[in-house]
Amino acid sequence: DAGVIQSPRHEVTEMGQEVTLRCKPISGHNSLFWYRQTMMRGLELLIYFNNNVPIDDSGMPEDRFSAKMPNASFSTLKIQPSEPRDSAVYFCASRGDRTGTDTQYFGPGTRLTVL
Amino acid sequence: AQTVTQSQPEMSVQEAETVTLSCTYDTSESDYYLFWYKQPPSRQMILVIRQEAYKQQNATENRFSVNFQKAAKSFSLKISDSQLGDAAMYFCAYTNTGNQFYFGTGTSLTVIP
Repeated sequence: DAGVIQSPRHEVTEMGQEVTLRCKPISGHNSLFWYRQTMMRGLELLIYFNNNVPIDDSGMPEDRFSAKMPNASFSTLKIQPSEPRDSAVYFCASRGDRTGTDTQYFGPGTRLTVL
Repeated sequence: AQTVTQSQPEMSVQEAETVTLSCTYDTSESDYYLFWYKQPPSRQMILVIRQEAYKQQNATENRFSVNFQKAAKSFSLKISDSQLGDAAMYFCAYTNTGNQFYFGTGTSLTVIP
């Protein structure tokens, strides 16, 4: 089975530019999570969706960040405008809905560098 | 509030030997789940092992096993017969809902040939 797919794997952009990160969850999973990982703050949950609906976005740092999930197989995390302090690895994870499926499965991450 | 603490920032082990990584957590919940994730240099977060708090039996996955002490709120990972491919950052994680995960700060494991 294909795991969580993220694109791009690496993104280098200049301050002020718009950045869009993409995620395809595992087929059949109904919850999707976006995380950010930095040396200083570790892994932070930014937002999560359940059945394509945003449930908790309290981790989204600023209005510059937005996330959408237009359907069960696709989600985006957008940063506009980007700033150097947004440089981090961004992970997408998904989780199923059956009993015992409390486990989150992570994608390979997108390493974002904002110059 | 739930917190997860990994008190060993770095550990090393000789190849083929056994190493134990420590994790403690704080929660007022009685039903929850604990995990160990491995993050190799590729950055991929890989699930190593999962423990359900209501199960007294310690989880095992091949060379990986846990020592789950619910009363002490301790959840250590034992890696037996360490291999070079085990070198990675290891994160302990807690959840009681499956949604909000709380991660420790990680332990960097070096395997010495």
